Amino acid sequence: QKEVEQNSGPLSVPEGAIASLNCTYSDRGSQSFFWYRQYSGKSPELIMSIYSNGDKEDGRFTAQLNKASQYVSLLIRDSQPSDSATYLCAVKVYGQNFVFGPGTRLSVLP
Amino acid sequence: DVKVTQSSRYLVKRTGEKVFLECVQDMDHENMFWYRQDPGLGLRLIYFSYDVKMKEKGDIPEGYSVSREKKERFSLILESASTNQTSMYLCASSQDQGYNSPLHFGNGTRLTVT
Repeated sequence: QKEVEQNSGPLSVPEGAIASLNCTYSDRGSQSFFWYRQYSGKSPELIMSIYSNGDKEDGRFTAQLNKASQYVSLLIRDSQPSDSATYLCAVKVYGQNFVFGPGTRLSVLP
Repeated sequence: DVKVTQSSRYLVKRTGEKVFLECVQDMDHENMFWYRQDPGLGLRLIYFSYDVKMKEKGDIPEGYSVSREKKERFSLILESASTNQTSMYLCASSQDQGYNSPLHFGNGTRLTVT
């Protein structure tokens, strides 16, 4: 059974700090990795995608992928209270459906 | 930007009613999905469709059916609503099955069955 694991949290960080969210996956055939942000009562919103080993930066967000260790992470620099949300990791194998992790709840404290 | 529109934000239905949840996407995407999301259980795939008139069961299809008569529209049907179908329902679409084709979600429908 394909699995994606995340620490459910809550992860609490002070405003302005770096938030680090981690995700591990079981299927070595996984090719695509996505991070979604979900505010309470809202639907998931795509914030990052990564397909190759290494880092990918987009504004305050950096996604990191290490296929050998089967983990993907999301760093949020200069965290803001508006970043408080649940972050979902999603993994895809070509030709198959997405597998979602349970999500990590992030709380940024003013 | 991709827009996935779900017809209702909130719905309240009675046990035994037939319920239709409608979803429309405007980006000519091949694939469409229906998920439900419950606290502690995460996102669970109900049905999906890779093409018009095509449908496949997901992980929890029992009690549901779907219809995809047009490429842009994917409907979820609860044949006889039950209280355990009270949930947040999320429709999503993706361009194709390619590795670089993410899911785009609609705003969700919070369904309450009483």
